[in-house]
Amino acid sequence: DSGVTQTPKHLITATGQRVTLRCSPRSGDLSVYWYQQSLDQGLQFLIQYYNGEERAKGNILERFSAQQFPDLHSELNLSSLELGDSALYFCASSVATSSYNEQFFGPGTRLTVL
Amino acid sequence: AQSVAQPEDQVNVAEGNPLTVKCTYSVSGNPYLFWYVQYPNRGLQFLLKYITGDNLVKGSYGFEAEFNKSQTSFHLKKPSALVSDSALYFCAVRDPLNTGGFKTIFGAGTRLFVKA
Repeated sequence: DSGVTQTPKHLITATGQRVTLRCSPRSGDLSVYWYQQSLDQGLQFLIQYYNGEERAKGNILERFSAQQFPDLHSELNLSSLELGDSALYFCASSVATSSYNEQFFGPGTRLTVL
Repeated sequence: AQSVAQPEDQVNVAEGNPLTVKCTYSVSGNPYLFWYVQYPNRGLQFLLKYITGDNLVKGSYGFEAEFNKSQTSFHLKKPSALVSDSALYFCAVRDPLNTGGFKTIFGAGTRLFVKA
């Protein structure tokens, strides 16, 4: 158990809908990262937050947004969902934002868009 | 831009034999390299990292990796494979940004099968 929790574990929804994925980092970790894992795209970095502030953006679509709250939990919002958004979404955390800190991954949320 | 390549989609090895999972990288500046493992229906788990110093890095579960600057490689190794090592292995490199954050760029992954 990495100490990173994600809810829900599974999410099934329809095209055009909006969903929110939630992540609680390990105790003491200030940095949160979101990733998308799909069969065709592999593991893609989406976005990083550090202590409530956005620090890095990757291949995140404009339909997606995220935030990190004062209690350090984070939410990833996916809107106007398309079939291609079906994937595993992982949250990870690390103690700081340094390039040499390893990340600890949550169990993921499997999103299915029908 | 930073990148990593894992040239093998799959590696098959017999239990008890040594295993190698290959990774090559392309970076500007100092490479910060990582290996992660993913078991079925689980998140990624950190195995080891190279930041600086000794080229042979030891990690979790008996794994080690050798950093080779001239060949731009960071291969994952284990002297004696176990059936329980069967999983998906990812090599990753950090791409620092001027925002103070960084991207982590993962390879496509290599599936390791260890046969009893």
